[in-house]
Amino acid sequence: DAKTTQPPSMDCAEGRAANLPCNHSTISGNEYVYWYRQIHSQGPQYIIHGLKNNETNEMASLIITEDRKSSTLILPHATLRDTAVYYCIVREDTGGFKTIFGAGTRLFVKA
Amino acid sequence: GAGVSQSPSNKVTEKGKDVELRCDPISGHTALYWYRQSLGQGLEFLIYFQGNSAPDKSGLPSDRFSAERTGGSVSTLTIQRTQQEDSAVYLCASSLVAGGGDTQYFGPGTRLTVL
Repeated sequence: DAKTTQPPSMDCAEGRAANLPCNHSTISGNEYVYWYRQIHSQGPQYIIHGLKNNETNEMASLIITEDRKSSTLILPHATLRDTAVYYCIVREDTGGFKTIFGAGTRLFVKA
Repeated sequence: GAGVSQSPSNKVTEKGKDVELRCDPISGHTALYWYRQSLGQGLEFLIYFQGNSAPDKSGLPSDRFSAERTGGSVSTLTIQRTQQEDSAVYLCASSLVAGGGDTQYFGPGTRLTVL
């Protein structure tokens, strides 16, 4: 699996957009970009994923650069309940099918 | 059930004892994954199943760890002769199929404490 790089922590004001960056410069053509988050003492929660195109769902938007070497997760209106560790993962489509979680970004949403 | 369930939610054991952790995946999901998370750390992949077979056991930390899956559903992770460094939250996930386009859904985890 390709390696990802994320900032260790970020702050965001409640009600503002949270933009979480991720670098995956060694991503290969058939690898998907996934985002999960983990709220304290709970299992990881799926947020969104994409291959090449930008994606949006009820939770977030995923912006993938044209060269696919980086992406940004956008939480449009962050709330206190969005405080969590956010993991950016790229997953190989063949072989191990395992998801490698790095250290993630700890997002603090402040009132 | 509606989601992935794991049991027990908490397990305290003495060093040297064996433990079994259980995972019930989402009905119909053919792929099942085990991870562990030590305090303050990211997730560490252990093993995954496609059906009842485990193509990738590369993440198992030692031969004291084993896992099986029967009937393409329930999986058991067994740790023999537990050590204090085995203390962690053990997470199970399942997905419809194993592949890059699938989505893994996680259970609440089992918190294992080895005294």
